[in-house]
Amino acid sequence: QVQLVESGGGVVQPGRSLRLSCAASGFTFSSYGMHWVRQAPGKGLEWVAVIWYDGSNKYYADSVKGRFTISRDNSKNTLYLQMNSLRAEDTAVYYCARDGGEAVDPDAFDIWGQGTMVTVSS
Amino acid sequence: EIVMTQSPATLSVSPGERATLSCRASQSVSSNLAWYQQKPGQAPRLLIYGASTRATGIPARFSGSGSGTEFTLTISSLQSEDFAVYYCQQYNNWPTTFGGGTKVEIK
Repeated sequence: QVQLVESGGGVVQPGRSLRLSCAASGFTFSSYGMHWVRQAPGKGLEWVAVIWYDGSNKYYADSVKGRFTISRDNSKNTLYLQMNSLRAEDTAVYYCARDGGEAVDPDAFDIWGQGTMVTVSS
Repeated sequence: EIVMTQSPATLSVSPGERATLSCRASQSVSSNLAWYQQKPGQAPRLLIYGASTRATGIPARFSGSGSGTEFTLTISSLQSEDFAVYYCQQYNNWPTTFGGGTKVEIK
């Protein structure tokens, strides 16, 4: 079945780095744009970043621009989020999500992973 | 960026009753609006896209309407599994933005 599985979360000190991964299965990963969306504890959803299906374009929320890098390896069906210079306000559950594309709507998120928790604390 | 405002923050409804959730955009988003359902400890699930199109596998009791700046999600007859938080999302303008959510709770 169509599935996204995140990993790599954990507790990290402010200023340090962490890399999240999202393993995709059950669909042609290389045909879809992919996003990261986060949710701080008890809060709403915040879009973080998007990468085109072929990796040719990447866009970021202002809150993470210059600190986070989204990437993908289509040969491994895996999406990544490299997070540097982490801050307390980056504490959240991080979800990867599939772009709806032409079948649904571009930038609607039709498949979500279960999320991975990132806690930034000293 | 476009600000999405959802109301009410909490909606208390009895099973079997109708629930009406509202979402307002700070400027027109055309019909580029989605609704998501999120249950505790779970990821969001796409319910509606294009303001009114149900996603695959979504029951017919869920319906969306509106365009421009005013949108509504209606759940015609609430089932026990529908008690959750609902988010709207606009994807007409970058960056895509979400509303703050409406919690539908059991009355």
